[in-house]
Amino acid sequence: SQQGEEDPQALSIQEGENATMNCSYKTSINNLQWYRQNSGRGLVHLILIRSNEREKHSGRLRVTLDTSKKSSSLLITASRAADTASYFCATNSGAGSYQLTFGKGTKLSVIP
Amino acid sequence: ETGVTQSPTHLIKTRGQQVTLRCSSQSGHNTVSWYQQALGQGPQFIFQYYREEENGRGNFPPRFSGLQFPNYSSELNVNALELDDSALYLCASSPADRPLFPEQYFGPGTRLTVT
Repeated sequence: SQQGEEDPQALSIQEGENATMNCSYKTSINNLQWYRQNSGRGLVHLILIRSNEREKHSGRLRVTLDTSKKSSSLLITASRAADTASYFCATNSGAGSYQLTFGKGTKLSVIP
Repeated sequence: ETGVTQSPTHLIKTRGQQVTLRCSSQSGHNTVSWYQQALGQGPQFIFQYYREEENGRGNFPPRFSGLQFPNYSSELNVNALELDDSALYLCASSPADRPLFPEQYFGPGTRLTVT
């Protein structure tokens, strides 16, 4: 079953604009990860944030985590056409398992 | 490129048949997980193998089974295929001796169509 929901389901922006995607989840977590998927192919790991962290940056990516609200957001700054993809959040409960529970994803379209 | 490979890329099977999908993990990774991704959905966890033993299973029936080999390659077997088994099947590997870095490395997937 899906852990949570990404919002919005689809997002269309102009190149150079910022894109913000939100994710909500249901159970307690050890960490939350964001992945990108191009055209129904394999997923690429973008960034991981642990349950005791509130914000993390990696290049043009900024992730926040609010464990009290069970939500996370992914901000992509200065978007490029190459950022066009589906973005998924995935939670991991730890406990010696690498099992990831994914949301349904946000489909991002960046228009040149 | 993650270094995780899967074969075949595409596969068409008939309902009731059996299928075997293969995955070669990234070098040095001793944990492999399999996911099923239906069209328009996020991946769903099938099971995970660590050192050739099943180490966790999602909500999938026993007709989904797996193997992990000493060289850390793995197989996903699905018996008695149903139309709803049509999906993209993804394998992902992780280095279990790095628990502080639990990100997974996904292969490109196998697209299975059941007719």
